[in-house]
Amino acid sequence: DGGITQSPKYLFRKEGQNVTLSCEQNLNHDAMYWYRQDPGQGLRLIYYSQIVNDFQKGDIAEGYSVSREKKESFPLTVTSAQKNPTAFYLCASSFLAGDMSSEQFFGPGTRLTVL
Amino acid sequence: GDSVTQMEGPVTLSEEACLTINCTYTATGYPSLFWYVQYPGEGLQLLLKATKADDKGSNKGFEATYRKETTSFHLEKGSVQVSDSAVYFCALKAAGNKLTFGGGTRVLVKP
Repeated sequence: DGGITQSPKYLFRKEGQNVTLSCEQNLNHDAMYWYRQDPGQGLRLIYYSQIVNDFQKGDIAEGYSVSREKKESFPLTVTSAQKNPTAFYLCASSFLAGDMSSEQFFGPGTRLTVL
Repeated sequence: GDSVTQMEGPVTLSEEACLTINCTYTATGYPSLFWYVQYPGEGLQLLLKATKADDKGSNKGFEATYRKETTSFHLEKGSVQVSDSAVYFCALKAAGNKLTFGGGTRVLVKP
């Protein structure tokens, strides 16, 4: 089955520790995205990548880092510089970065709790 | 910049009632419009989309029409079920390929 996988589903970390969230897709999509969702709020874009070895900051990139070494993978690192990292993190992917009609497909999300 | 405004929830309905969730947008050019649904503890799933003015998107009994003159994309369903309880997000995609989301509307359908 084609789709997007995120792991782990739940993640607990101590304050001050870096943590990396995994996102893998087997849909042969060109573009991948990371969003943050806080309770009762919409999604905010953290980073996105339209091609391997290239990525751009979204609206709330501070305290986060990403890499895109493979087309299928787009891991997100939440660093200790992120002041309020507890949130639900969603990864997405899509075809044809320049096609406005192409939909984004979402993974199941990772809930990160910093203790 | 681009923005999406949707009605705040929660919206509480009885089974078989009609549902309407209002969504209006601001964007340059001619964006594509989307409705996504999020069930508890899960990611988002595309519900329907429309890519040009007067297009109607439909899926699972839900419908929305792209109204350029009123910059709106309201979501409607004639008879809701308990299984429709979820959070619904309106979104647009304009130049640059990034999705801009509304704040989400929580819908609770009671038996």
